[in-house]
Amino acid sequence: DTGVSQDPRHKITKRGQNVTFRCDPISEHNRLYWYRQTLGQGPEFLTYFQNEAQLEKSRLLSDRFSAERPKGSFSTLEIQRTEQGDSAMYLCASSLPGQGSYEQYFGPGTRLTVT
Amino acid sequence: RKEVEQDPGPFNVPEGATVAFNCTYSNSASQSFFWYRQDCRKEPKLLMSVYSSGNEDGRFTAQLNRASQYISLLIRDSKLSDSATYLCVVRAVSGTYKYIFGTGTRLKVLA
Repeated sequence: DTGVSQDPRHKITKRGQNVTFRCDPISEHNRLYWYRQTLGQGPEFLTYFQNEAQLEKSRLLSDRFSAERPKGSFSTLEIQRTEQGDSAMYLCASSLPGQGSYEQYFGPGTRLTVT
Repeated sequence: RKEVEQDPGPFNVPEGATVAFNCTYSNSASQSFFWYRQDCRKEPKLLMSVYSSGNEDGRFTAQLNRASQYISLLIRDSKLSDSATYLCVVRAVSGTYKYIFGTGTRLKVLA
């Protein structure tokens, strides 16, 4: 399967714990995005990488959230001191380089439950 | 006002019906437009990009009206398998890769 993959698919954690999610984009895609989606809402943009550079961050991405893409391939999203309000689906998407290549392809998501 | 607005539905239609969804966006400088389909508890999947001249893919037709700042999706001859949530997506402005998603419109096609 050469699509976007995410790990883990599900994570249950206690409030106050740290969690880290991983995203592996489609291999030739240099653009990578993180989103958060809660029930009944569309995905909300969190951050964007082009290769290893983090070029945009949403104001939603508080200082408890950090994302990296150290070698321009896979990416990690870490949430520190989780809160119940962090419970959501965290989606990763990737897209091709080049002008006009704006179509994004999503991974299956990581569903986070904070108890 | 939300940046991208959609009627949440649900739209309940019989098999074979034609159904249309609209989506409005607030930023007139918005650049790229898409429709995604999302099944329950699954990831969004790209349905089609929306071009200024309008475009068609089988039973699906998408239109863009820049003057009125809305995009539309028309589904002809609805199938049971078309039941899903349809998300309208707008890329904010040139030079940014921030994509704004609507809340989605739920479609249920009934036998």
